[in-house]
Amino acid sequence: GEDVEQSLFLSVREGDSSVINCTYTDSSSTYLYWYKQEPGAGLQLLTYIFSNMDMKQDQRLTVLLNKKDKHLSLRIADTQTGDSAIYFCAERTPGNTGKLIFGQGTTLQVKP
Amino acid sequence: EAQVTQNPRYLITVTGKKLTVTCSQNMNHEYMSWYRQDPGLGLRQIYYSMNVEVTDKGDVPEGYKVSRKEKRNFPLILESPSPNQTSLYFCASSLSTGPYEQYFGPGTRLTVT
Repeated sequence: GEDVEQSLFLSVREGDSSVINCTYTDSSSTYLYWYKQEPGAGLQLLTYIFSNMDMKQDQRLTVLLNKKDKHLSLRIADTQTGDSAIYFCAERTPGNTGKLIFGQGTTLQVKP
Repeated sequence: EAQVTQNPRYLITVTGKKLTVTCSQNMNHEYMSWYRQDPGLGLRQIYYSMNVEVTDKGDVPEGYKVSRKEKRNFPLILESPSPNQTSLYFCASSLSTGPYEQYFGPGTRLTVT
């Protein structure tokens, strides 16, 4: 079945790089996404990657996709305290439901 | 500003008292969806709508109703709320073409006592 897994917690020092990992099971997923959720707020779309791409870079964010291993990662360069949040990866299921399957979320703690 | 709005943001109610959570988007998106977020369970889809007058069940539709009479609005209706519907609810919308970026509302925290 469909499943997306993430580690629950990551702690880094300000200025370091953060790497958040995600694995998914549905090899027919077409798009994969990264969302950020700050306390008391909704989910903010950070970036996405199409399944035929290996990498996508957007300013401080780098997404790597290993389709063979069904592994997705989000690298945040020069992590700032404002990056502290919960990060969700999500895959879009094929078909017309438009349903996103979310991971449990990774809490990123950035220490000054 | 492009956005998805939800109202109310917080609601405490009692078992059995009908309620409606409104959702509105100003991006002319065809697709809209409702999710609930629960600790340890992540986000699960309740209902979705591909366009006006077209709605369908998601993974956890029991106890909920929706309607899509206008493109911009997608209200979530709880006819007889129960305590197991206490949750954080999110509305989302997107275009119906790739990359199908879903934009989320700020969330509605519902408590049913």
